[in-house]
Amino acid sequence: EVQLLQSEAEMRKPGESLKISCKVSGYNFTTSWITWVRQMPGKGLEWMGIIYPGDSHVMFSPAFQGQVAISADRSISTAYLQWSSLRASDTAIYYCARLSTYPSPRRIATAWVDSWGQGTLVTVSS
Amino acid sequence: SFVLTQPPSLSVAPGKTARVTCGGDDVGSKTVQWYQQRPGQAPVLVIYYDTDRPSGIPERFSGSNSGNTATLTISRVEADDEADYYCQVWDTTTDHLVFGGGTKLTVL
Repeated sequence: EVQLLQSEAEMRKPGESLKISCKVSGYNFTTSWITWVRQMPGKGLEWMGIIYPGDSHVMFSPAFQGQVAISADRSISTAYLQWSSLRASDTAIYYCARLSTYPSPRRIATAWVDSWGQGTLVTVSS
Repeated sequence: SFVLTQPPSLSVAPGKTARVTCGGDDVGSKTVQWYQQRPGQAPVLVIYYDTDRPSGIPERFSGSNSGNTATLTISRVEADDEADYYCQVWDTTTDHLVFGGGTKLTVL
């Protein structure tokens, strides 16, 4: 069974750094993209970016390029989302999820999320 | 960048049919996915590749996609179907995942 287990809720002050995690099990971590999705309070889903753990290749949404870092540790099947300086507007639930792709992971004609983590609530407040 | 447009809300009586639309420029040339998100829960994939249902998703859920509009159809609506529904595509021009703004389905 595919599972993505995210780290617990976090509370930080503006300007602080944060790294949240997503540990996967039930499939080969290195052969599927992992994506991060933001959901601000009462709002819709926003795609942030994806990482291919096999070689750590990352692609970002323009809205999040330079605002966050995405990484992966193949040795422990875990992906990360990181901020160096949080803002109040970063308050949201962050989901990690597995991306299924066709026809192959490195030549994507279409893609969809087939498994989601439970979400990590990040609250940034002074 | 590619934009998907959904109506913010839709209301339907139990037992009736709900049709959630997702508009985009020539969206019929792409494959569309649909996700259901109940309050306080993570999204769940209900339709992929325009018309396919993952295992465990009831046959009452179906999808279609042509021209500039994709549609998620929920037949014989139940109270448990009350949720937010999001459409999604992969934009090959930019290598970006794109979500629609979401539609809140209310079961009267």
